Amino acid sequence: AQKVTQAQTEISVVEKEDVTLDCVYETRDTTYYLFWYKQPPSGELVFLIRRNSFDEQNEISGRYSWNFQKSTSSFNFTITASQVVDSAVYFCAVSGTYKYIFGTGTRLKVLA
Amino acid sequence: EAGVVQSPRYKIIEKKQPVAFWCNPISGHNTLYWYLQNLGQGPELLIRYENEEAVDDSQLPKDRFSAERLKGVDSTLKIQPAELGDSAVYLCASSLERIDTQYFGPGTRLTVL
Repeated sequence: AQKVTQAQTEISVVEKEDVTLDCVYETRDTTYYLFWYKQPPSGELVFLIRRNSFDEQNEISGRYSWNFQKSTSSFNFTITASQVVDSAVYFCAVSGTYKYIFGTGTRLKVLA
Repeated sequence: EAGVVQSPRYKIIEKKQPVAFWCNPISGHNTLYWYLQNLGQGPELLIRYENEEAVDDSQLPKDRFSAERLKGVDSTLKIQPAELGDSAVYLCASSLERIDTQYFGPGTRLTVL
């Protein structure tokens, strides 16, 4: 079975603060992918990043960075110097043999 | 490249009425998904198509929901009759292959009165 846990329901930060969104996953698959999606108030889910289970190299893309640790089954997402436009719901997902499972999301509010 | 297209964006109907949603996936994407998203929740899979074949419909309430994907391109999701509890956002997504990155359409927000 697959499961994704996003324990943080809602996070509020002040603009320019750094914020980390946590994601813990469970899967029996040896080969799988992990994803982060952003859902702004407009409602459309926007793909941010994909990592495969064999690539634990962390990645930085502009103000975004991702920390994948297979040993703890975590795939955390950090926004550096947050901006008001980052306000959205962020979903973590895992894709394996049978299912593409989403977490319940973390609502991020960035206050000006 | 055009993204996933869905219509309508919004639909308001009375309970017991039928409703249909349409989805056009990204060109060349073999796998198409329909999800239901309730407020404050993540998307939940209703049905997955590999080309024309529905390969995972275990979460589709088959007594009132039906779906089709003719010619392995466009897809339609239907509810008949709609119930109050069906009010939600219905999302369509597509990917090149099953395990690959899914790209989502804007969704259809259904309100059943």
